[in-house]
Amino acid sequence: DGGITQSPKYLFRKEGQNVTLSCEQNLNHDAMYWYRQDPGQGLRLIYYSQIVNDFQKGDIAEGYSVSREKKESFPLTVTSAQKNPTAFYLCASRGGGLHFGNGTRLTVT
Amino acid sequence: EDKVVQSPLSLVVHEGDTVTLNCSYEVTNFRSLLWYKQEKKAPTFLFMLTSSGIEKKSGRLSSILDKKELFSILNITATQTGDSAVYLCAVENTGAGSYQLTFGKGTKLSVIP
Repeated sequence: DGGITQSPKYLFRKEGQNVTLSCEQNLNHDAMYWYRQDPGQGLRLIYYSQIVNDFQKGDIAEGYSVSREKKESFPLTVTSAQKNPTAFYLCASRGGGLHFGNGTRLTVT
Repeated sequence: EDKVVQSPLSLVVHEGDTVTLNCSYEVTNFRSLLWYKQEKKAPTFLFMLTSSGIEKKSGRLSSILDKKELFSILNITATQTGDSAVYLCAVENTGAGSYQLTFGKGTKLSVIP
């Protein structure tokens, strides 16, 4: 089935560690996005990529990094510089609207 | 800065009631307005609206856009407990040659039996 796969579903890390969230799509979409969702905050854009080997910062990019080496893959690294990393992270791709993965819930203690 | 405001932020109704959710926006280079339903995980797409005054309908859900007054409403008739979710409104712009979505904070709907 075509879709977006995020892994893992739940992730626990100690403060000070970098962590990478996976996002893979087989929809052949060029554009991919990472959002962060906190309770009562809606979705906020972290990074997006319109095409392979190119990406732009969203509204809250500080403390995050991404890469787009393949069309299918858009991993997000949450670095130790991110002050409040505990959140629900959603990856999406665009093709006739935005298609979302099932999210990764990251908890940093 | 683009802005999307949803109201109310939360709502509790009884099964069978009709509800109206509101979304107002300020955005440059408007392209479309989208509604999503989010239960436990990924938001699921409901409607995309691009033209004023044309109602989109899917079962008990309907939505309409007013581009002059810059708002949209989402109606749910004969609500059921399965309608309990967070409903997200997002506005898409075409600034700088790329498409970006700005989301509202969502309306949390709780339908009680």
